Amino acid sequence: GAVVSQHPSRVICKSGTSVKIECRSLDFQATTMFWYRQFPKQSLMLMATSNEGSKATYEQGVEKDKFLINHASLTLSTLTVTSAHPEDSSFYICSALTWRDYNEQFFGPGTRLTVL
Amino acid sequence: AQSVTQLGSHVSVSEGALVLLRCNYSSSVPPYLFWYVQYPNQGLQLLLKYTTGATLVKGINGFEAEFKKSETSFHLTKPSAHMSDAAEYFCAVTRRYNNNDMRFGAGTRLTVKP
Repeated sequence: GAVVSQHPSRVICKSGTSVKIECRSLDFQATTMFWYRQFPKQSLMLMATSNEGSKATYEQGVEKDKFLINHASLTLSTLTVTSAHPEDSSFYICSALTWRDYNEQFFGPGTRLTVL
Repeated sequence: AQSVTQLGSHVSVSEGALVLLRCNYSSSVPPYLFWYVQYPNQGLQLLLKYTTGATLVKGINGFEAEFKKSETSFHLTKPSAHMSDAAEYFCAVTRRYNNNDMRFGAGTRLTVKP
């Protein structure tokens, strides 16, 4: 099956700093990648959709200047949380679509961000 | 837009008992439906999905779900619960031919008692 990795799996940072999270499709080319956010004991909320080589599409209420998404290649998308604050602490999950199975999103293992 | 409602945020069963997790969807076009499982601090693992064809879908770990259009439901079942089934379960829906807009239910936490 298709494998998606995320790095780091866990990160702790100070308030005001920026944090970059990587999402990689390991054995396939991902035409589209998605970024989700999950608060404790809650469901996944879509933050943005990114297509390789183009600007990401953000969901309503998600600050594009705060959550920078780059999808520079067919196997890598990055989410940068700029000037992080404690309220940005959350579990961030990415997923990827492939041409070979556009019925299914393949999910990464998630990144736990804690902002002190 | 499509949406999913999971009835019951928490379900508790005894080991060996039937597992039934409820999911109802709303979609103006034919849906694709999914069930995912999430263990603590991990990503989502696909249990099963319905796209087209047979309405009774079998997945991993003994789970299955039936797509019932007349009831707009996609309930997840397992005949006999195992301790390792304790986790959070999410039902999700997308539109046919457009997986760019996946909507998740609120999730159901399954507890399995010995």
